[in-house]
Parts: sequence; structure tokens; C-alpha cells
Amino acid sequence: NAGVTQTPKFRVLKTGQSMTLLCAQDMNHEYMYWYRQDPGMGLRLIHYSVGEGTTAKGEVPDGYNVSRLKKQNFLLGLESAAPSQTSVYFCASSRLGGTGELFFGEGSRLTVL
Amino acid sequence: DQQVKQNSPSLSVQEGRISILNCDYTNSMFDYFLWYKKYPAEGPTFLISISSIKDKNEDGRFTVFLNKSAKHLSLHIVPSQPGDSAVYFCAASNSRSSGSARQLTFGSGTQLTVLP
Repeated sequence: NAGVTQTPKFRVLKTGQSMTLLCAQDMNHEYMYWYRQDPGMGLRLIHYSVGEGTTAKGEVPDGYNVSRLKKQNFLLGLESAAPSQTSVYFCASSRLGGTGELFFGEGSRLTVL
Repeated sequence: DQQVKQNSPSLSVQEGRISILNCDYTNSMFDYFLWYKKYPAEGPTFLISISSIKDKNEDGRFTVFLNKSAKHLSLHIVPSQPGDSAVYFCAASNSRSSGSARQLTFGSGTQLTVLP
């Protein structure tokens, strides 16, 4: 029972490098989300998707791009990493018509030097 | 400006006693509220929720209370157990603005420690 799986779990980047975080869910959920968690800030929504082929901006989208080419996958990309993007990233999914219960992955810790 | 606030970063409680975690919000358009629990190195997991049409929802040892006039909600855990030690996040959503994809606004979290 995998649920939501994120890869990689840890990554260290240098400023200006690019990378992609992969999120995969096996619950056939329509909606998928990327959040970042920073100390004292809670979780903030970066981007989300309401279905395959769709994406939308959340609260803190700058510096990130996303793609949802397949229903089960949601990719988060950093084209040119900055130290301000050092954070723990969480992917989540939820079902159509739900009341807001999100299912989260275990998180990906990214450090940008 | 944080729309959902958890003003207590930490709380310590003795095993068997009641834990009360508080959350305040400023956006009167929020109509659904949730609590998530997070253990270290894991993702948050859903705990309990409440709609704005209710003022109380209970699930076993967990009860959430909503006071709309005060824009305040609280999570009560009775009795508290050492396994309840975790970070608790309050979250809120506005179904009319986010449509069918619920965009949650989270508080900063409260670290609960239940002492044996």
C-alpha cells in the first residue's frame, strides 16, 4: 500500500543547478499538490493540479514549474535553484469531491548551497 | 499575513491528561477546518475535520471544537498518550474560492510532547 511516493528523499544542489522532484500516487486521485514546509511557516502551497494535463499556481509558485502528464504523477521542477528554495517539499493528493483530506508523501529535503 | 495561526509552538502534557491545541483564523470565508498530525521524517496525516455548520466533531479520543464568532478552533486529546507526541497542524479551506480542489491554508504547527 504505497499511497504517495516522493523521489528523491534528499538532495543537495548548488545555486543555479536544476532538478526535478517526482511524486507518484496509486490511489487514482484526481487532485495533486506540492507544498513546502519551512520553520515557523507551516506548509505553503506551491502548485496544484486538478487533473491530468492541468496545473495551477498556489501561494508561492515563483521559481518552480510543474507538470502532470500522467494522472498518477506530478513533477516539481526547479530550473535554477536558489538558497531560498532550501526546504522540505511535500507532495499530496486528494480525491474528486473530497472535503479536503489530503494524503501526503514522506517529504523530500532539498538543500541549496 | 498568516490567515491561520497557531500561537503555541510547543505544548507538554502528562500522560493521561488532556491536551488542548489551539488555532485562530482571520478569513471569515473559511468553511472547512482540518487537523493533521506529523511525526518526524514522515508526511502529515489527516486526523479530524469539522465543517463550519458544526461546532463540535468527535472521533475517539480526539474532539475538535469550532467557535465561528471568535474565529477559533481547538483540538482536544483525552486521554493523552506518549504516542500522540507529534507536530499538529491546523488547516482551513474555502470551498467557494478553490472549487473542487481544496486548497488548504496551514498554520505553523504545535509540537505536542506527552510525558510518560
